[in-house]
Amino acid sequence: GAGVSQTPSNKVTEKGKYVELRCDPISGHTALYWYRQSLGQGPEFLIYFQGTGAADDSGLPNDRFFAVRPEGSVSTLKIQRTERGDSAVYLCASSLIPGGRNEQFFGPGTRLTVL
Amino acid sequence: QQQVKQSPQSLIVQKGGISIINCAYENTAFDYFPWYQQFPGKGPALLIAIRPDVSEKKEGRFTISFNKSAKQFSLHIMDSQPGDSATYFCAATPWGGANNLFFGTGTRLTVIP
Repeated sequence: GAGVSQTPSNKVTEKGKYVELRCDPISGHTALYWYRQSLGQGPEFLIYFQGTGAADDSGLPNDRFFAVRPEGSVSTLKIQRTERGDSAVYLCASSLIPGGRNEQFFGPGTRLTVL
Repeated sequence: QQQVKQSPQSLIVQKGGISIINCAYENTAFDYFPWYQQFPGKGPALLIAIRPDVSEKKEGRFTISFNKSAKQFSLHIMDSQPGDSATYFCAATPWGGANNLFFGTGTRLTVIP
């Protein structure tokens, strides 16, 4: 079956621009996570959705970052006024039910480059 | 502050050898410890996981050893193969509350034929 998909696979933008990154989770998965992976590092948690609501957004670095999941499936991560330090691979993961012990299935990521 | 410390950063092993990656944590609320495997251009994929009520878990050539008192756990890959060449991440998550994973910094494993 289809796994987690993310679009675009690569995004190059200029400092100060706005970007949207999309995640399509596995069908039926209620929990959705966003992580950010900088070069040579492990993924770092950004935000977690249970259904349509953001259950935990404690990992968002500042108010330039925002994410939505309006219908409980597809999610969009939005970054305003991008900075060079935002350059990273943004990973999305989903799990059938919430809870850290439930396997999170990761997408291939979106590589964001801010020039 | 890195909540899960991982070493070594890189590892080169001969085909057929044993690969060992170590992780340590401080947060005693962590109660689930998965290992993820990541190939270039792909997202991490769950390899094997352990709960702290057991000291060892084995799945095929992969074994997790867990030392609760030392707050350390390790991944052993027996009979390492060139296809195992990838980056490995240990992770941890607490029971209840937050549902996110805290990852180590990763180990790049290269298995040479």
